[in-house]
Amino acid sequence: EPEVTQTPSHQVTQMGQEVILRCVPISNHLYFYWYRQILGQKVEFLVSFYNNEISEKSEIFDDQFSVERPDGSNFTLKIRSTKLEDSAMYFCASSDGQPQHFGDGTRLSIL
Amino acid sequence: DQQVKQNSPSLSVQEGRISILNCDYTNSMFDYFLWYKKYPAEGPTFLISISSIKDKNEDGRFTVFLNKSAKHLSLHIVPSQPGDSAVYFCAASANIKAAGNKLTFGGGTRVLVKP
Repeated sequence: EPEVTQTPSHQVTQMGQEVILRCVPISNHLYFYWYRQILGQKVEFLVSFYNNEISEKSEIFDDQFSVERPDGSNFTLKIRSTKLEDSAMYFCASSDGQPQHFGDGTRLSIL
Repeated sequence: DQQVKQNSPSLSVQEGRISILNCDYTNSMFDYFLWYKKYPAEGPTFLISISSIKDKNEDGRFTVFLNKSAKHLSLHIVPSQPGDSAVYFCAASANIKAAGNKLTFGGGTRVLVKP
């Protein structure tokens, strides 16, 4: 069964550094998403992406965040200058409508 | 953000018995509801969904019930198996006709099925 793959599984970064989280969505899907889950909290929506542009973003998704689909397969989330509070599990998802299918996440630890 | 709420953080059930997980929502715009299952170190895995035009959807051992007037849905797992031990998330989406809408998640219920 096709799946969403995310790399790396764990990323440790110094505060203030840039980080790029990578995702390979399911190949025939057109909608892409990023969510995050801070330890002990709910899974929360960050951004959705369709037709090479952001279709919706949450208030969490400020100017420090950006998304890109640099080629036909990858979908990336960039955090420009990481803060301690960016430490979380980041999940990528893709869909051709609903339901959304999730990757196993990248655990981002900011030191 | 309390738009989707799962009031029971945990549930313990004997193997072979029924597991009932509950979820409440407040946003009247939600018209599509999903249940996801999550094992440690894995992402949420889609289980079953229901649109607001239905009140029940069944898939094997899993049945989801929707009570729109009460803004309440539940997931029944019958019979429960040890492999069902996981965290279960309720999620909701608004305007299902507009594909690609975000999901709003509940806080999850940890289910433990005892052999």
